[in-house]
Amino acid sequence: AQKITQTQPGMFVQEKEAVTLDCTYDTSDQSYGLFWYKQPSSGEMIFLIYQGSYDEQNATEGRYSLNFQKARKSANLVISASQLGDSAMYFCAMRDANFGNEKLTFGTGTRLTIIP
Amino acid sequence: KAGVTQTPRYLIKTRGQQVTLSCSPISGHRSVSWYQQTPGQGLQFLFEYFSETQRNKGNFPGRFSGRQFSNSRSEMNVSTLELGDSALYLCASSLDRTLGELFFGEGSRLTVL
Repeated sequence: AQKITQTQPGMFVQEKEAVTLDCTYDTSDQSYGLFWYKQPSSGEMIFLIYQGSYDEQNATEGRYSLNFQKARKSANLVISASQLGDSAMYFCAMRDANFGNEKLTFGTGTRLTIIP
Repeated sequence: KAGVTQTPRYLIKTRGQQVTLSCSPISGHRSVSWYQQTPGQGLQFLFEYFSETQRNKGNFPGRFSGRQFSNSRSEMNVSTLELGDSALYLCASSLDRTLGELFFGEGSRLTVL
């Protein structure tokens, strides 16, 4: 069974600082995908970044980057130059590569608050 | 390009009633999955549909059901509502046979009184 662990229930970060949100995962599969989503108070789950288990380079999307350490089963999200609009819940999620298994397993989330 | 559309956004029901939620995926996406989000249980997978067939099902009672139409739109139904069914129901769509992105809608927030 897959498991995602996010050990930081909440974080407070000064505006314009970089922030790292931790995520570790557990799976016996060799092929899988890792996701980060942002959920503001409105409820929508906003896709941020994706990393495939066979991708050799860390994924980046604008101010977001994923620090993928496969041997440590770690997939931390790094947000550079944080902004007030980054305040939200952040979820790490995993999907395995078995055909027909589009299910995501989510972590419990980290509530990020950016302080002006 | 339109995103995932869920209707209704908010609804209030009473115990024992039933509810139907709708999800229109991104154009071209054939896989639609549903998730329930509650403060106590977090995000939990309900089921996933592809080409009108349920491929995956989470650990929910039979009161929770769904279907997918030929245009990939999906509906989920919850019968005999219980207080514990109060939740945010999220729909996600993706291109099939890929480990790429999975996109969510804004959710339908159900309150059961």
